[in-house]
Amino acid sequence: GNSVTQMEGPVTLSEEAFLTINCTYTATGYPSLFWYVQYPGEGLQLLLKATKADDKGSNKGFEATYRKETTSFHLEKGSVQVSDSAVYFCALEGSTLGRLYFGRGTQLTVWP
Amino acid sequence: DVKVTQSSRYLVKRTGEKVFLECVQDMDHENMFWYRQDPGLGLRLIYFSYDVKMKEKGDIPEGYSVSREKKERFSLILESASTNQTSMYLCASSFNKGPGTQYFGPGTRLLVL
Repeated sequence: GNSVTQMEGPVTLSEEAFLTINCTYTATGYPSLFWYVQYPGEGLQLLLKATKADDKGSNKGFEATYRKETTSFHLEKGSVQVSDSAVYFCALEGSTLGRLYFGRGTQLTVWP
Repeated sequence: DVKVTQSSRYLVKRTGEKVFLECVQDMDHENMFWYRQDPGLGLRLIYFSYDVKMKEKGDIPEGYSVSREKKERFSLILESASTNQTSMYLCASSFNKGPGTQYFGPGTRLLVL
């Protein structure tokens, strides 16, 4: 079946630190992969996505590379800001078009 | 700008009440989804719909029903609210041609007393 496993939080960092949030997946075929972000009091919004192996998604300084050999899609940012404090969700689109499978989310807190 | 709106941000109901949560999207999306979000459990899919009058069960449909009479509107119904349905409810929509980027509403925080 389809599933996503992401590192448990919370993750606490100082401003300008390097961020990695690990995400691995199980799926049949070649799913599209996503990172969503949820700021306090809001719904989820798409951060970045990748649709095939070796694709790199990027947005707002965040990056993630679709690694088929390790079934991973780790989120990275070189220098986090206080405004990056949020919950981050990794997701995959399974064989049923349109349906997403989400990880449990990772809470990130960045201190000044 | 894409827009998914939910009828209420906060809702307080009594056990046994019938509860309606409404979601409207203005992007002409075919697909619409209802999730609940609970701490430590992430997002769990309740129901989704690929078209008007069509519905599919997600992972946790028990205690819920849905209605999609118009393309832009997808309603979640709690037939008889219970305390274990206290949660954050999120609606989302997407086009039916992949990849399936979903657009989310702001959520409704429901408290059942």
